[in-house]
Amino acid sequence: QKEVEQDPGPLSVPEGAIVSLNCTYSNSAFQYFMWYRQYSRKGPELLMYTYSSGNKEDGRFTAQVDKSSKYISLFIRDSQPSDSATYLCAILTGGGNKLTFGTGTQLKVEL
Amino acid sequence: DAGITQSPRHKVTETGTPVTLRCHQTENHRYMYWYRQDPGHGLRLIHYSYGVKDTDKGEVSDGYSVSRSKTEDFLLTLESATSSQTSVYFCAISGGGVTGELFFGEGSRLTVL
Repeated sequence: QKEVEQDPGPLSVPEGAIVSLNCTYSNSAFQYFMWYRQYSRKGPELLMYTYSSGNKEDGRFTAQVDKSSKYISLFIRDSQPSDSATYLCAILTGGGNKLTFGTGTQLKVEL
Repeated sequence: DAGITQSPRHKVTETGTPVTLRCHQTENHRYMYWYRQDPGHGLRLIHYSYGVKDTDKGEVSDGYSVSRSKTEDFLLTLESATSSQTSVYFCAISGGGVTGELFFGEGSRLTVL
């Protein structure tokens, strides 16, 4: 079983829609969860991180962790064409900031 | 933007030839990483370094070696490139801590014919 699983999409939504991106993970001991955003032909950049369970909000973005079901989510409200990118979930799985990434979900927000 | 430079950005080579990718940082960060990114597999860790001359293997290290003789440089070497090593390679750096923030370079696209 992979440590992190993510639906690759692609996902296409109209501008203004609420987007839900999801990952599942295998090890209940994991505590730090991140979302990275990657534009085409660019390196990933950290969007948000959360510790343990609960929600974290930053503008139009909300990251949610449900440790009981080992499920992490990223919600994007009022999606914009500029949100079109690949979104990767990541989990801290080792010391020295060793991260294990999901395969990424490609999102396209259409006008 | 974090000061990370990868070189070369694009390279086409033939099977069996050696290839070295270079990552240079100006942030004086302790940790450096090499990932490869492939469709259907996402980002996978090849090797990482936690200091000068201190390196360790990641998930997909077979066929790759690394060296870090200076804080700012982390080299990834393919001793004898194979077609399965055709990929986009990303270098990342981190200052440590527990937030999981890695800063990534722009990537190096390698094609092995």
